[in-house]
Amino acid sequence: EVQLVESGGAVIKPGGSLRLSCATSGFTFDDYAMNWVRQAPGKGLEWVSLISWDGSGTYYADSVRGRFTISRDSFENSLYLQMNSLRPEDTALYYCAREFEGTNSLDHWGQGTLVTVSS
Amino acid sequence: DIVMTQSPLSLPVTPGEPASISCRSSQSLLHRSGYNYLHWYLQKPGQSPQLLIYLGSDRASGVPDRFSGSASGTDFTLKISRVEAEDVGVYYCMQGLQTPYTFGQGTKLEIK
Repeated sequence: EVQLVESGGAVIKPGGSLRLSCATSGFTFDDYAMNWVRQAPGKGLEWVSLISWDGSGTYYADSVRGRFTISRDSFENSLYLQMNSLRPEDTALYYCAREFEGTNSLDHWGQGTLVTVSS
Repeated sequence: DIVMTQSPLSLPVTPGEPASISCRSSQSLLHRSGYNYLHWYLQKPGQSPQLLIYLGSDRASGVPDRFSGSASGTDFTLKISRVEAEDVGVYYCMQGLQTPYTFGQGTKLEIK
């Protein structure tokens, strides 16, 4: 069974940093591109970042480029999101999601981890 | 960026009746493979989103056949042939043709 479990969410002050993790199991992690998607309270879905299956390609939404860094560790079968210079508008539930090979659709999602940026 | 526009934003439906959600993209989503990189998700209350339809019309694993997707140019439609109570939630379209991937605003389906 495919499982994605996010962690690392917290309440953090503006300007602070946070690292989110997504532990995966039930599939060959190295074969899949992975994404982060966020959802502000009561709002819709916003794609944040993508990393290719081998980590050679990384892509970001304009709203986070230069502040967030996506990475992966094949030994830990884990996905990460390093978030720096956090802003109140980064407050959201952050989901990691696996990309369905060859389709760029997101076929498995975690339960999310909540990041609250507030003074 | 590709803009995705959904309608309606709210959809009250009587159980057993059909439902239809539209999604329009600001540019073609046709990949060189010949497939439209348009996907549909359902977020049930209190849950994470789940993939319903990928590549415009292919049902994801375990999705009932009452769900179907179609495309005409830059217009995409998700249809539910007979709505059931478990179908309530917010439906999103998403383009995966190019980054940044973008979602529609969401359509909230509720039972009358």
